[in-house]
Amino acid sequence: GAGVSQTPSNKVTEKGKYVELRCDPISGHTALYWYRQSLGQGPEFLIYFQGTGAADDSGLPNDRFFAVRPEGSVSTLKIQRTERGDSAVYLCASSPARAGGTDTQYFGPGTRLTVL
Amino acid sequence: GENVEQHPSTLSVQEGDSAVIKCTYSDSASNYFPWYKQELGKGPQLIIDIRSNVGEKKDQRIAVTLNKTAKHFSLHITETQPEDSAVYFCAAPLGFYNTDKLIFGTGTRLQVFP
Repeated sequence: GAGVSQTPSNKVTEKGKYVELRCDPISGHTALYWYRQSLGQGPEFLIYFQGTGAADDSGLPNDRFFAVRPEGSVSTLKIQRTERGDSAVYLCASSPARAGGTDTQYFGPGTRLTVL
Repeated sequence: GENVEQHPSTLSVQEGDSAVIKCTYSDSASNYFPWYKQELGKGPQLIIDIRSNVGEKKDQRIAVTLNKTAKHFSLHITETQPEDSAVYFCAAPLGFYNTDKLIFGTGTRLQVFP
């Protein structure tokens, strides 16, 4: 079946601009995660959705970052007033979130964001 | 909170040799330990995972061992092939529940030379 998809694959923007990154999770997966990966580092958690609600947004670096998942499927990560330090690969993952024990998280290919 | 340390940062082996990557974690409540392989320009791909109720799991040339007392787990790749070359990440959840965010190690770049 189809995996997690993310669009666009690459995004180049200028400092101060607004960007939206989209994630389509695996069909039926109720949990959705956003991570950020800087060059040479492991992914770092940003936010987690269970259904439509953000269950944990403790990883969002500041209030310029916001994410939504209005219908419990597709999610959009929104970054306002982009800064050069926001440049990274933004990864999305989804999980079935079955009861009892941690579920496997399946990652998408990521969106490479470059802020000039 | 959870802290995951991974080593070595780079590993070069000859084709056919074995490779071992080790990780330690700090949160004794963690109960799930996945390993991901990431190729250039791609997202992390799960290759194997282990839960805390077992000490070892094997899938063809890949195995993972877990020592809960010492809080470390290791990835073993036998009979390495050039296509095994990639960056490998270990991870552990922050907490016990099935919806926990993963804390990743810093990665190991594995190079397999023909």
